[in-house]
Amino acid sequence: EAQVTQNPRYLITVTGKKLTVTCSQNMNHEYMSWYRQDPGLGLRQIYYSMNVEVTDKGDVPEGYKVSRKEKRNFPLILESPSPNQTSLYFCASSSDSSTDTQYFGPGTRLTVL
Amino acid sequence: GNSVTQMEGPVTLSEEAFLTINCTYTATGYPSLFWYVQYPGEGLQLLLKATKADDKGSNKGFEATYRKETTSFHLEKGSVQVSDSAVYFCALSVRHLDTGRRALTFGSGTRLQVQP
Repeated sequence: EAQVTQNPRYLITVTGKKLTVTCSQNMNHEYMSWYRQDPGLGLRQIYYSMNVEVTDKGDVPEGYKVSRKEKRNFPLILESPSPNQTSLYFCASSSDSSTDTQYFGPGTRLTVL
Repeated sequence: GNSVTQMEGPVTLSEEAFLTINCTYTATGYPSLFWYVQYPGEGLQLLLKATKADDKGSNKGFEATYRKETTSFHLEKGSVQVSDSAVYFCALSVRHLDTGRRALTFGSGTRLQVQP
């Protein structure tokens, strides 16, 4: 089954404690990205990757890091989480075309105390 | 910059009522337009899309037509069901020629509640 998986689905942590949210896709997609969803703001892109070892900032990259060492994986790293990073996070992937559908993971709900 | 504006919700309808959710956009270049749906506790799923002016996307009884002259992509369904209750997001996608970046720009979402 074609899918995007994320782990964990739910996470409660404290300010400053480093965390990683994993994302994996099995569709051999070149393009992957991370979004955060906040009430009234829709989804905003954090980082994206056009292929292995190629990553770049989206609209709201501050406080986040990513890496793309393998085509299927695209982890999101919060080196020192802060309460304003409490949000619902989605990973997405697609083949390299602006008209192609992006496939979303199930989401990770993060709470930073 | 690119932006998407959609009507605020919640929209509450009775089963079998007609649905319209308005969506307008501003974009540089020639965007593709999408409607995504998010059911409670789930990620976003593509509902329908249109890639050029005058295209009509359709799926599961939902339709939307890409109107370049009015920069709109309104979602419609003739007869809603309780199972259509969800949050609906209008979005556009363009490729940035300088960076190659492609991102979906989303509206803020419209919650639809269908009552039996």
